[in-house]
Amino acid sequence: ETGVTQSPTHLIKTRGQQVTLRCSSQSGHNTVSWYQQALGQGPQFIFQYYREEENGRGNFPPRFSGLQFPNYSSELNVNALELDDSALYLCASNVRGAGTGELFFGEGSRLTVL
Amino acid sequence: DAKTTQPTSMDCAEGRAANLPCNHSTISGNEYVYWYRQIHSQGPQYIIHGLKNNETNEMASLIITEDRKSSTLILPHATLRDTAVYYCIVRVGGLNSGGSNYKLTFGKGTLLTVNP
Repeated sequence: ETGVTQSPTHLIKTRGQQVTLRCSSQSGHNTVSWYQQALGQGPQFIFQYYREEENGRGNFPPRFSGLQFPNYSSELNVNALELDDSALYLCASNVRGAGTGELFFGEGSRLTVL
Repeated sequence: DAKTTQPTSMDCAEGRAANLPCNHSTISGNEYVYWYRQIHSQGPQYIIHGLKNNETNEMASLIITEDRKSSTLILPHATLRDTAVYYCIVRVGGLNSGGSNYKLTFGKGTLLTVNP
């Protein structure tokens, strides 16, 4: 069974640029969530995708957007990058309607905005 | 989701039991207590969860008070690899719930340092 995988693991961008982060959910999982973790803070919920549609969103501006594909993998896109977007971006997957509600997290993509 | 309060940091000697407390005085009847941990530079890892009964698995035990306003995560024999930030989270559990019910609201957690 393959766990949640994310790419890239590290990347550096400059202010104003755009970034795309990718996530492959754990085998059999149909729901993907994205979290942002700033240094020294707990992860903060960005949004969740189920059946290729956004289903639940945290307090993040529209320049944070995402996609889910038929194979349940997902992308997080951030436009017009700001310095405060520097963080670890975590992807998590689970099975909607089954299981115990636990989320399975990937190792994250660390984004640095200069 | 109910708010939780945890100590910022704790120390534990290797081989001894680590007892991590969590207060959740505003927990609702349909909210579960979940524990996750995050080892440095890794993603959070699920440990255990419970509603009102004490729970035990291969990783830890969860003790929930009768009034459900607090709980304790117990690592029975802490090892150096248990050094991590431990998050106590309360949220509505259950199956077939809407997207928001799968959202986890993390606080800052407790940094547990296991010393040799």
